[in-house]
Amino acid sequence: DGGITQSPKYLFRKEGQNVTLSCEQNLNHDAMYWYRQDPGQGLRLIYYSQIVNDFQKGDIAEGYSVSREKKESFPLTVTSAQKNPTAFYLCASSVHTGQVNTEAFFGQGTRLTVV
Amino acid sequence: AQSVAQPEDQVNVAEGNPLTVKCTYSVSGNPYLFWYVQYPNRGLQFLLKYITGDNLVKGSYGFEAEFNKSQTSFHLKKPSALVSDSALYFCAVRAYSGAGSYQLTFGKGTKLSVIP
Repeated sequence: DGGITQSPKYLFRKEGQNVTLSCEQNLNHDAMYWYRQDPGQGLRLIYYSQIVNDFQKGDIAEGYSVSREKKESFPLTVTSAQKNPTAFYLCASSVHTGQVNTEAFFGQGTRLTVV
Repeated sequence: AQSVAQPEDQVNVAEGNPLTVKCTYSVSGNPYLFWYVQYPNRGLQFLLKYITGDNLVKGSYGFEAEFNKSQTSFHLKKPSALVSDSALYFCAVRAYSGAGSYQLTFGKGTKLSVIP
């Protein structure tokens, strides 16, 4: 089955720790995205990548980092600099960021909680 | 900059009645509009999109949406609501963000509750 796989589904982080969220897609999509979802705030873009070895900051990139070493993978690291990391994180992909008529496909999300 | 507004945080409708979830947008240039649905603790699922052409767009699970350029709206509709339609619905607009890239901007979501 083609799709986007996020892992883990639930993640707990201690104060001061870095954690990495995994996102893998087998849709052969060029573009990948990370969104953060908080209640009542919709989805906010953290980072996106248009192609391997390239990525751009979104609206709320502070405290996060990403890499895109392979087309299929776009891991997100939540660093200790992110002051309020508890949220639901969604990874998505689309054919290409320059193609307006295609929808984005989403993974099932990772719920990160700071303990 | 583009933006999307979903003016209702929650919509309640009786099962079997028609439902409408409202969305208005602001974008320079042509709007490319999308509706997604999210069930609890799950990712977003694509419902339908408007790119060009007919103002009435049909999508998955019996949903449709009407594009109205003069009112800058893209309301989601369904003739007869099901209890299983209860979920969080997001409207999104794709617009040019520079460097050859088009980004999705989402509304804050509307929680739909269908009452048996």
